Amino acid sequence: NAGVTQTPKFRILKIGQSMTLQCTQDMNHNYMYWYRQDPGMGLKLIYYSVGAGITDKGEVPNGYNVSRSTTEDFPLRLELAAPSQTSVYFCASGIQENTEAFFGQGTRLTVV
Amino acid sequence: GQNIDQPTEMTATEGAIVQINCTYQTSGFNGLFWYQQHAGEAPTFLSYNVLDGLEEKGRFSSFLSRSKGYSYLLLKELQMKDSASYLCAVRDSNYQLIWGAGTKLIIKP
Repeated sequence: NAGVTQTPKFRILKIGQSMTLQCTQDMNHNYMYWYRQDPGMGLKLIYYSVGAGITDKGEVPNGYNVSRSTTEDFPLRLELAAPSQTSVYFCASGIQENTEAFFGQGTRLTVV
Repeated sequence: GQNIDQPTEMTATEGAIVQINCTYQTSGFNGLFWYQQHAGEAPTFLSYNVLDGLEEKGRFSSFLSRSKGYSYLLLKELQMKDSASYLCAVRDSNYQLIWGAGTKLIIKP
């Protein structure tokens, strides 16, 4: 049972480059989330989706974009990477809002 | 503003009991979560409280007082594998999840 799968696990980007962080879940969850986690800070919600075709901004959406064409996939796109986007990114999914979220293993991104 | 406060770090002894506190000030309340996160790994769900009182699950218990904006996570019979960060998160009136910075728990033999 794979759960939530994120790729890549590590990535180094140069300033101004772009990339897509992939996230796939095989639990048929409607809700999916993208968070970033910085040292000494709580998780910050970037974007979320309540179902295929529906996405909404979270607390820190600037510099990111998402799409949700299928229930399974929720990729996060970084355009024009900046050093401030150096962070650990987690994708998560859940059945509904008041249930536990299942997290992927994270992507450690460094922008230099 | 919205705020979740947890101690940054705590130390406890193997076999003992430890209580990790979480206080919150949020715009509304629709439930509180506790997650465990080992270093370099993903958070994993521990507990969910929406009503006042104590929820027990094996060695772990979580308590909530909505009137005081307060919760705690109680870990009994501590094991070395319990060394991790413990994250408190509150869902506000807009159903947004607000996360604390986490409490790093160090277990000593």
